[in-house]
Formats: sequence, C-alpha cells, structure tokens
Amino acid sequence: QQPVQSPQAVILREGEDAVINCSSSKALYSVHWYRQKHGEAPVFLMILLKGGEQKGHEKISASFNEKKQQSSLYLTASQLSYSGTYFCGTDGLTDKLIFGTGTRLQVFP
Amino acid sequence: DTAVSQTPKYLVTQMGNDKSIKCEQNLGHDTMYWYKQDSKKFLKIMFSYNNKELIINETVPNRFSPKSPDKAHLNLHINSLELGDSAVYFCASSQEGQGISDEQFFGPGTRLTVL
Repeated sequence: QQPVQSPQAVILREGEDAVINCSSSKALYSVHWYRQKHGEAPVFLMILLKGGEQKGHEKISASFNEKKQQSSLYLTASQLSYSGTYFCGTDGLTDKLIFGTGTRLQVFP
Repeated sequence: DTAVSQTPKYLVTQMGNDKSIKCEQNLGHDTMYWYKQDSKKFLKIMFSYNNKELIINETVPNRFSPKSPDKAHLNLHINSLELGDSAVYFCASSQEGQGISDEQFFGPGTRLTVL
C-alpha cells in the first residue's frame, strides 16, 4: 500500500539534475511532495491533482500520470539546499496521505 | 511566530510509563494529524481530527489516545510505553476539512526514546 520511491538515494554535484519517481499500486486522486532535512520536519513542496498536470516551483517541478499511478519530481541545476529526504504522499480519496518510502538526496559542492 | 508547535521536543522515559505530547497550531486550520516516523524514516499517519472530531484512526494500539480539546490543539497520550514506541512523532495541520488537497504544515517533531 505504501508508494514505492526510486531511487532510494541520489548523490549529486551542484548543478546536476535528478529525477525521483513515486509509484503506487492504487488509483490516485492527488500526489503531494515534501522535503525533509535532517533533524527537521517535512516541508511541503507541491500538490498535483488528478488530471495529469505538471507543476513547477523554481527549479523543482513534478508530473502526475494517474493512469500509471505514478508521479515524478524533477530537480534541475541542483543546489546544496536541495539536500534532504524527499517523500511523495499519495491520496486515493481516503482522507489520508500515504507517504512513500523516501529518497535521500545529497548535493555536494 | 510558530505555526505548528509541539512539546516536548525530546522525551526519554522508561518502559511502562505513560506520557503525553502536546500540539498547537495558530494557523486557524480545521484539520490536525499525528504521524509517526520510525528509525527507517517511514512516515505513517496515526490519527486525524477535523474540528475536534476524529476522522482517521489507523491501526494503532489503543495505548495511544489522541485528544482534541479545541480545533487548535491535538494532544497524544501514550499508556504503558513499549520499546517499539521509540520514534519521532510529528503533529501537522491543514486547512482542508475533508479530502486532502491542501498542504500540511508539520510541527518540529517530538523524539520519543523508550528505555
């Protein structure tokens, strides 16, 4: 039931790009993305609603393919501040978010 | 001006004890949540309340009892603590009354260690 994220971990140099995938076995109404830095609370990045939309947030964007029950988070020209663990949260109209397995991203100078 | 606050930040206690974690949000949100994040960083919903009414009660041992005295507060009381209860507990809130198409604002977390 928990969405599976891939890869589990990514190591980047500043300026490089990364893609994080989130895959669910259940039909989805929306996908949420959060970033959690070490020792801190998760922080909201964006929500994608059913309709296959793509959203952007500075150099971080995401897509949602409800037919495939998948979402992808795109980080371009990564910065040191992007380091952290990224979680997708999926909603199948059950009034609750099911968070994914997490992807740990480390950006080095 | 803290949006979602939790106390205490750290809690170290012996097995068998009873403890409480408090959460308050000053965002005027209708819905509040408790999440548990284990050592593998999995973040799992435990409870949610909408306007003081219990909406979600996941498969959580009944040693865990949430209480919402008003819509700005959601406390978590844990009886007879066990080693497996050691985790970070996050409180969160969102504006949305039903459905979850709103972002959730998380508190700083309470790291519970049961010895």
